[in-house]
Amino acid sequence: QAQLVQSGAEVKKPGASVKVSCKAFGYSLSNYGITWVRQAPGQGLEWMGWISGSNGNTNYGQKVQGRVTMTTDTSTSKGYMELRSLRSDDTAVYYCARGGRDSSGWFMDYWGQGTLVTVSS
Amino acid sequence: DIQMTQSPSTLSASVGDRVTIICRASQSISTWLAWYQQKPGKAPKLLIYKASSLESGVPSRFSGSGSGTEFTLTISSLQPDDFASYYCQQYHTHQSFGPGTKVDIK
Repeated sequence: QAQLVQSGAEVKKPGASVKVSCKAFGYSLSNYGITWVRQAPGQGLEWMGWISGSNGNTNYGQKVQGRVTMTTDTSTSKGYMELRSLRSDDTAVYYCARGGRDSSGWFMDYWGQGTLVTVSS
Repeated sequence: DIQMTQSPSTLSASVGDRVTIICRASQSISTWLAWYQQKPGKAPKLLIYKASSLESGVPSRFSGSGSGTEFTLTISSLQPDDFASYYCQQYHTHQSFGPGTKVDIK
């Protein structure tokens, strides 16, 4: 049974950076991709981007393009999402999820528990 | 970018009701569509992929249909555990989600 376990909640000041980790259990990270999705308080789901676990290819959403970097470390079965120049509207729960290996265009069958990132001065 | 819409945004229903949620895409996505259920404070859960394929372990009262630009999620007989929010997701070109439909108790 696959499982994704994310790092804990973060509180950051505007302008800072945050890096959220996502550890995969029960499957090989190199056979899948990781998709990152966020959800602002009381709002819907927003796709942030995707990274291939096999070759590190990425696709990022327009709203975070230029501020986000997604990486993986197959030796530790971990994925990472770093978001820079944080603003108050980046306050959200950030989810990692198992996605397609070769393309960002795929559904997500296993999800992490979510990481709350709060941006506040 | 492909835009997704859902209707209704909120749906009030009773246990045992047949419930239908509609999802529309701004351009044809063939059958590259998934449906997710989300409960408060929890991660989304995959229900349906490729428009009509039921994810393993999901009750058969859930079904999906459609192709091109119009899709439906149907719950044949609403159960207490089904009161939640539902999101459609296109994965034809990258990904995007619909705004969600909240199913609450009538």
